Amino acid sequence: DVKVTQSSRYLVKRTGEKVFLECVQDMDHENMFWYRQDPGLGLRLIYFSYDVKMKEKGDIPEGYSVSREKKERFSLILESASTNQTSMYLCASSLNGGRSTREFFGPGTRLTVL
Amino acid sequence: QKEVEQDPGPLSVPEGAIVSLNCTYSNSAFQYFMWYRQYSRKGPELLMYTYSSGNKEDGRFTAQVDKSSKYISLFIRDSQPSDSATYLCAAPIAGGGADGLTFGKGTHLIIQP
Repeated sequence: DVKVTQSSRYLVKRTGEKVFLECVQDMDHENMFWYRQDPGLGLRLIYFSYDVKMKEKGDIPEGYSVSREKKERFSLILESASTNQTSMYLCASSLNGGRSTREFFGPGTRLTVL
Repeated sequence: QKEVEQDPGPLSVPEGAIVSLNCTYSNSAFQYFMWYRQYSRKGPELLMYTYSSGNKEDGRFTAQVDKSSKYISLFIRDSQPSDSATYLCAAPIAGGGADGLTFGKGTHLIIQP
């Protein structure tokens, strides 16, 4: 089974802090994704990556950056956390190619910014 | 307008009932669709995927796509309390899915014992 793990389940940070959310997948997937999930808004794509050192903006990249130095690891960085970044953050990965790319999700990190 | 629309519910039905969960989509280029199930405080798990027309069955679950009306459905037969969760429909942002998924907002389903 594909395993996607996220470094923390719950995180509390203060406004202005730099925050790192880590994601690791163990199935050699090329593609990795960061989403945030908010009540009434659903899941929204922040950033994604096709390959090591590659990154692409999703629908809501403002206030975030990402890093992919190794194939299995994809980090989401909040340069200066703000209260409107309080959310559930979900990492996902998928294999390249074919018509039916399926994303596998991690358990999520619930981030609260005070 | 979101590309995938879904009624957030909650939808509450008695145990054993047939459940119908629905989404509509606006992008004719979508080639396949997915249903994810998300339990409280967990990440979404892939339940089913289906190509752009027809039915797909897996145990008690049937996914259906009506391309002409841009309508996606998930049916659950003999519903169980363990089926209580949020169900999300999704479609790939670009053809192959490597650019991520666009999700409906999710329908919260409650199966009453």
